[in-house]
Parts: sequence; C-alpha cells; structure tokens
Amino acid sequence: QVQLQESGPGLVKPSETLSLTCTVSGYSINNGYYWGWIRQPPGKGLEWIGSIYHSGNTYYNPSLKSRVTISVDTSKNQFSLMLSSVTAADTAVYYCARIVGATLARVDFWGRGALVTVSS
Amino acid sequence: QSVLTQPPSVSAAPGQKVTISCSGSSSNIGNNYVSWYQQLPGTAPKLLIYENNKRPSGIPDRFSGSKSGTSATLGITGLQTGDEADYYCGTWDTSLSGVFGTGTKVTVV
Repeated sequence: QVQLQESGPGLVKPSETLSLTCTVSGYSINNGYYWGWIRQPPGKGLEWIGSIYHSGNTYYNPSLKSRVTISVDTSKNQFSLMLSSVTAADTAVYYCARIVGATLARVDFWGRGALVTVSS
Repeated sequence: QSVLTQPPSVSAAPGQKVTISCSGSSSNIGNNYVSWYQQLPGTAPKLLIYENNKRPSGIPDRFSGSKSGTSATLGITGLQTGDEADYYCGTWDTSLSGVFGTGTKVTVV
C-alpha cells in the first residue's frame, strides 16, 4: 500500500521560506507517476500547488510559480516543497499526493496533511 | 480562486439522492478528465471518481460521475449519514495547472 507522510516546521515567519518534505513508502518514485503538493487554508477549499515526475519535470500553479520549487530525491524516495516569501495567506494544511497522469487524471493517494502556520 | 464552480451546499434525507455540479470551461473540463474527491471532517480527501465516471476499488456504486461538455456531475444515491462531507471536483487546465472546484458540503437532514 502506498503511503505518504509530510514533515517540516509547523510555524514559519512572514517573508521566510516554507519547506516541507514528503516521504513515500510502499512504492518507488522511480517507477513512475507524478508527485505533488496540494494545500487547503483553514475552512477553505483545495488549491493545487504543483507536481513533479521522477525525471524532474515539473508543473506549477501559475499564481504561485514565482515562489514555488518542487524537487525530488529518488535515493531517499522523497520529494519536497519550498515556498518563498510567505505571508499569512499561505497558512494552510499542506498535502503531498501521488498523481496519476501529467494532466491530473486523478490523485489516488494522499498524505494526512501538515498544518503550516505563517506568523511572527 | 478556483476556476471550477460548485454549489456551496446540498442536502437531502437519508436514502434520497443528491447531485453536485461542477462547471468549468473548454480550458479545463471541456478537454480533460474529471475526478471527484470526498473529504470527511478533519481528514485528507479521498478519491471517489476518476476519468469522469470510473470508481476506484472499494467505492460503492451509490457514487456515480458523468461529464457533458464543460460540466461534470457527481451523484450520490441511497444517501447515508456517513456521506456527510465536503466534495470536490478536479481536472487539468490549459494553464498547465491542476484545478479544483470550490467544494460542496453535503448534509443529510
């Protein structure tokens, strides 16, 4: 069974960089699929952040593209999210996920989510 | 802000049927598969429907999906109290980005 687990600081100061890592178990990232990040501000809907293939090919949400970097470390079976210059609007639960198809045909496995609060 | 529009809420009595619409455009739903997700309170979303109308293993046939043009619909029959959740549609957009719907809260009254 594929399992994903987010890890990283739960509190980030405004203007700093949010950094999260997703550790995948039960499946090798090298075997395919896209791997992505999706976030959900408290009480609000889902927002797609971006995705990455094991080869390093990435897609990013245009509204976040200037601040987002997603990378993959196949040796550790992990992928990571960096979001720079954060503000309170970036406070959200961040989910890592496995994505079938480059064009978001479906998100079939999700992590449990990590709450990141942006506050001084 | 989402480019896919869903009704904020729908409700029905136990055993009844509800439908949830997801309205988009030719830039997204019109040219891509639609998937649907159920999010129970305090949990991660769960895949309900993919490729417009397919159910993953373990999803009961009370849940169904369809797509026509630039809109998609999720149907839930035989409504149960355990179906109370938020539901989201999702697809790809020509901006080379995934997009999700605004979300619909289902209440069993």
